[in-house]
Amino acid sequence: DQQVKQNSPSLSVQEGRISILNCDYTNSMFDYFLWYKKYPAEGPTFLISISSIKDKNEDGRFTVFLNKSAKHLSLHIVPSQPGDSAVYFCAASVGAGGTSYGKLTFGQGTILTVHP
Amino acid sequence: ETGVTQSPTHLIKTRGQQVTLRCSSQSGHNTVSWYQQALGQGPQFIFQYYREEENGRGNFPPRFSGLQFPNYSSELNVNALELDDSALYLCASSRAINTEAFFGQGTRLTVV
Repeated sequence: DQQVKQNSPSLSVQEGRISILNCDYTNSMFDYFLWYKKYPAEGPTFLISISSIKDKNEDGRFTVFLNKSAKHLSLHIVPSQPGDSAVYFCAASVGAGGTSYGKLTFGQGTILTVHP
Repeated sequence: ETGVTQSPTHLIKTRGQQVTLRCSSQSGHNTVSWYQQALGQGPQFIFQYYREEENGRGNFPPRFSGLQFPNYSSELNVNALELDDSALYLCASSRAINTEAFFGQGTRLTVV
């Protein structure tokens, strides 16, 4: 039962353009969502997160949007840079203010390639 | 913040054997979680330890077990290895249960 789904295995964009990575979830108990970036031979690195009480969170070039009614979130990267090329995972947790922060449910990942 | 280290980086074991993977948490972190990432999949939560006690477990059989030591380093033990246990095993530590988790680089386990 895949509770967090990233339906696009890969995405290719031109440098300077916008990258949009999508994620859908089925568990309505999820109340905290995170995006991680992973380079080969490294562990996932935290990028940005959003609580279910918000619908948008920005950090520099990265913006995460949450649509709770659609159970959908997206990560926007503007402008995209070649160094952004990596695997991006969305993750979700229940009770982020309590005891579940480290118990993350991940999507399958999307490979982003940014071409110069 | 970084500093979560895992050992070994690569390991090859035979089906039926037992394996121990190690994780050294970042200084000051008292919570550690373990994840299994199969090829082409996202990481799956195995279990979490908080102050040496198990604090939640994912959908993994009992042959997956763990320990957390007083210095908050941790071990993941897998008994009776199966071919499907071949994966990248990730350790993540955090300052407390409800704070951001930082991942190590992982241990690549191959079962033949």
